[in-house]
Amino acid sequence: DTAVSQTPKYLVTQMGNDKSIKCEQNLGHDTMYWYKQDSKKFLKIMFSYNNKELIINETVPNRFSPKSPDKAHLNLHINSLELGDSAVYFCASSPSSYPYEQYFGPGTRLTVT
Amino acid sequence: QQQVKQSPQSLIVQKGGISIINCAYENTAFDYFPWYQQFPGKGPALLIAIRPDVSEKKEGRFTISFNKSAKQFSLHIMDSQPGDSATYFCAAKGSRRGRSEKLVFGKGTKLTVNP
Repeated sequence: DTAVSQTPKYLVTQMGNDKSIKCEQNLGHDTMYWYKQDSKKFLKIMFSYNNKELIINETVPNRFSPKSPDKAHLNLHINSLELGDSAVYFCASSPSSYPYEQYFGPGTRLTVT
Repeated sequence: QQQVKQSPQSLIVQKGGISIINCAYENTAFDYFPWYQQFPGKGPALLIAIRPDVSEKKEGRFTISFNKSAKQFSLHIMDSQPGDSATYFCAAKGSRRGRSEKLVFGKGTKLTVNP
């Protein structure tokens, strides 16, 4: 059973389009995250939700909007896609008690042309 | 203060050798230090983690050494194998008022183990 799953795995789209990435976890965790990994492999947190409440919102363009319908799901919607948005986006989840071990999904490779 | 500095950027080791990756941090509020392993095309996977009240933790061929006073920690891979070839990330996290703070990652080390 996949612990943290994401769809789609690959996403190729043109500049200006709007796209969504979905994430689901079956670990019973309370907290979920979105990370962006750039071409240099640097991992940077974008958002974090705890029980559907936004708790971390890094400096991310307003074009990115996370939505958590319940604590097992966290989606990422991106408006007006730009070339610089091309990256791999990872969803992760963790429990809300120490040590808050984070488990990552397989990633969504977004390519904006 | 939120940074975790990781070195080296890349590492080439012969099969059977020891791989050592180092990380340093400034924020003394960090209380959890995990290492992640990432293979190409896959998500980072938690490898091993340590708390600051422990100086060493070993799991199989993987060992974390932690030096609280120097604010440094390192990953040692004993008897390195070609299958260990991956990118390794150190990370650090703290908590505040019982709530988890964000996980801060190092920039990664690409390990290549030659057969």
